[in-house]
Amino acid sequence: AQSVTQLDSHVSVSEGTPVLLRCNYSSSYSPSLFWYVQHPNKGLQLLLKYTSAATLVKGINGFEAEFKKSETSFHLTKPSAHMSDAAEYFCVVSDDYKLSFGAGTTVTVRA
Amino acid sequence: DSGVTQTPKHLITATGQRVTLRCSPRSGDLSVYWYQQSLDQGLQFLIQYYNGEERAKGNILERFSAQQFPDLHSELNLSSLELGDSALYFCASSEGQGRNTIYFGEGSWLTVV
Repeated sequence: AQSVTQLDSHVSVSEGTPVLLRCNYSSSYSPSLFWYVQHPNKGLQLLLKYTSAATLVKGINGFEAEFKKSETSFHLTKPSAHMSDAAEYFCVVSDDYKLSFGAGTTVTVRA
Repeated sequence: DSGVTQTPKHLITATGQRVTLRCSPRSGDLSVYWYQQSLDQGLQFLIQYYNGEERAKGNILERFSAQQFPDLHSELNLSSLELGDSALYFCASSEGQGRNTIYFGEGSWLTVV
């Protein structure tokens, strides 16, 4: 069985400060891991994807995530938040047959 | 633009009615997924098709049904609609199954009044 836990339902940061969104997963197999972003009233957009090529994955808009097998984590970071980063973020784990979504983390960016 | 097209973008209908949501996957993608997103239940997986065959079923109500046609487009049929069915319905597609990246459409907003 596989599952995803996003440890924070809501994160609030000031513009220009770092963002950290935490994701832990459980999977019986070597999983593929994804982060998606959803802006208000929009579809989900792929930020980045881990498929075992490299543990540090760089995505769009300055985001990156590090896969840590020993900690079963795939945390998403960005060094400096921008107002446009305000959105909901989903961590997703996938094996050969099934996708599992986390509950989502809402990011608020303060001016 | 993800390449996944959903119609209609917005739909308002009355309780008890039936609606059909349509999805055209990205060119070359064989898998289609349907998701429901509401404020109280978040993002819920409904059903997946691969090359015309049902491959996985999630929290899909018996009042709901879907199919994938030979040209790979898909339709989600919602019948005997209730107020609680009001939600954003997403279609997504991927090249294959599982580990492939899935790409989401912009969604169809359904309001049941």
